[in-house]
Amino acid sequence: KAGVTQTPRYLIKTRGQQVTLSCSPISGHRSVSWYQQTPGQGLQFLFEYFSETQRNKGNFPGRFSGRQFSNSRSEMNVSTLELGDSALYLCASSPSNSYEQYFGPGTRLTVT
Amino acid sequence: AQSVAQPEDQVNVAEGNPLTVKCTYSVSGNPYLFWYVQYPNRGLQFLLKYITGDNLVKGSYGFEAEFNKSQTSFHLKKPSALVSDSALYFCAVSLYSSASKIIFGSGTRLSIRP
Repeated sequence: KAGVTQTPRYLIKTRGQQVTLSCSPISGHRSVSWYQQTPGQGLQFLFEYFSETQRNKGNFPGRFSGRQFSNSRSEMNVSTLELGDSALYLCASSPSNSYEQYFGPGTRLTVT
Repeated sequence: AQSVAQPEDQVNVAEGNPLTVKCTYSVSGNPYLFWYVQYPNRGLQFLLKYITGDNLVKGSYGFEAEFNKSQTSFHLKKPSALVSDSALYFCAVSLYSSASKIIFGSGTRLSIRP
């Protein structure tokens, strides 16, 4: 099976802009989670979607949002970008009722 | 609130020697514990998990971890380190029965010298 794919891999945006990141899970996986990874804060959970519904949410401001489509592909959106949003954004998918997450390579977002 | 701590930012080991990467956790119920590895410019890869049962868990690439409830620890071990084991290792804990809302430790950089 193909692994989790994320597009784009690299992105440079200007403060105040918005950005949309995409994640395609492993075929058959219905759960998709998003994480933000920074040198200072480490890996932080953003949200999880399962069957097009947000199942869990981390402690991030409302500027961070996501959605999941019927084919389990997921997008996350960050509006009004701030310099502190520069990070590696990781997507992970899981089969139903599984404890294992399979991560994509990430999208490195740089905000200038 | 649940949390996980990795007290060492970096661990240096000579190739062929045993290695240990430490992890302690704090949860109010029964924990689900995980180890992941991250290679440069890559996402995380699942190594092993403890859900219930035998305290010694075996995972990928010859790694194993021991769950110690009294010490609230879940240290990662390998009997003989390889240079290719050099990477960033994350311990993680969850209280939920699904894979979601996992709390990750700060990571430990493992460096294996030839």
